[in-house]
Amino acid sequence: SQQGEEDPQALSIQEGENATMNCSYKTSINNLQWYRQNSGRGLVHLILIRSNEREKHSGRLRVTLDTSKKSSSLLITASRAADTASYFCATGYNQGGKLIFGQGTELSVKP
Amino acid sequence: DVKVTQSSRYLVKRTGEKVFLECVQDMDHENMFWYRQDPGLGLRLIYFSYDVKMKEKGDIPEGYSVSREKKERFSLILESASTNQTSMYLCASSFRDHYYNEQFFGPGTRLTVL
Repeated sequence: SQQGEEDPQALSIQEGENATMNCSYKTSINNLQWYRQNSGRGLVHLILIRSNEREKHSGRLRVTLDTSKKSSSLLITASRAADTASYFCATGYNQGGKLIFGQGTELSVKP
Repeated sequence: DVKVTQSSRYLVKRTGEKVFLECVQDMDHENMFWYRQDPGLGLRLIYFSYDVKMKEKGDIPEGYSVSREKKERFSLILESASTNQTSMYLCASSFRDHYYNEQFFGPGTRLTVL
């Protein structure tokens, strides 16, 4: 019962451009998180935004959350080739720590 | 730094074998999780444990069992491996908190069942 739906499934950009990924979900959440996965590796937590927050920044990352539309976006500014990876959103709600992961966006940043 | 380790990065087993995948975390997390990841299907939760000896089925528990005898260790068991269990298996851990529940992942085990 996956809750997060991500868009686009794949994104290819040039180095220096911004990358935007979107995530939609279906029910009320406590928080929404973004993770990154390099090919063949485990996921790494990037940023968490709580349901009462609208925007959060971390370095070149900017996350927005619109609970009325049940959607979030992740913006990576001034992308680098090293940002090439899959990015997943995950929603957290009142179930003791479980998360529901989206299917991910594959980002390719060309040098 | 939180560290989650998995016993093997790559594993090849034969159909019908019993397979153990082990996961250890060093952050005193209450929660531990086993996921499998397949192309086009994302991460699917197999089992979840919120305390020692406690477990909960996830979305796809069939064909799997788990064991959590110590807080830091969570094992996934394939009682009789089948080819459709060929996949990437990811272990994760987190605090049992609704608001600060970011998960920390191990490097993954790529299991091939022949």
